Amino acid sequence: DVKVTQSSRYLVKRTGEKVFLECVQDMDHENMFWYRQDPGLGLRLIYFSYDVKMKEKGDIPEGYSVSREKKERFSLILESASTNQTSMYLCASSSGAGAPHIRRNTGELFFGEGSRLTVL
Amino acid sequence: AQRVTQPEKLLSVFKGAPVELKCNYSYSGSPELFWYVQYSRQRLQLLLRHISRESIKGFTADLNKGETSFHLKKPFAQEEDSAMYYCALDLLGGGATNKLIFGTGTLLAVQP
Repeated sequence: DVKVTQSSRYLVKRTGEKVFLECVQDMDHENMFWYRQDPGLGLRLIYFSYDVKMKEKGDIPEGYSVSREKKERFSLILESASTNQTSMYLCASSSGAGAPHIRRNTGELFFGEGSRLTVL
Repeated sequence: AQRVTQPEKLLSVFKGAPVELKCNYSYSGSPELFWYVQYSRQRLQLLLRHISRESIKGFTADLNKGETSFHLKKPFAQEEDSAMYYCALDLLGGGATNKLIFGTGTLLAVQP
């Protein structure tokens, strides 16, 4: 059974603080994703990664960075949190397909339970 | 630009009534479409994908390329179907376009 674990379910931070959101998956998946989920806006992709030390920007990368030092772990970093980053953050993983330089997402994403971040 | 549109934020039906959750997409390439579901206090999970042509929990969805739609249907709604439903588009074609784009979601409320 695929398990994607997000280390923090609820966080409260102050404006300007540095925030780390950690995500670990145990299925040896190549692909990992960070989305934010907001009412009325759905899920929006922040960053994704197809391999260790590899990252690509999603649709809303501004104000965020990521780190993937190990295959099973994908971290989202808010360098200086702002109130408009108050949101639910979802991590997901999926198995890849194809050549290493073009790993196609096989379509099924496995999601974590989410991390609800409040920035005051 | 690639886009997934779910026009209804909320769909309320009575138990036993038919359900249709609308999804339209905008994409010039060959799309692969999915429905994801999030039940209360549970994580988001895959419900079905168009390529499988399967029925899951009584739900079906047919890809209509002419109308660029992928509506989710169920003939008789059950209370346990109440959840948030997201339509998602996988951009095929190789290169870096290997990611899912989600719609804004539709909350289905099935009344007893």
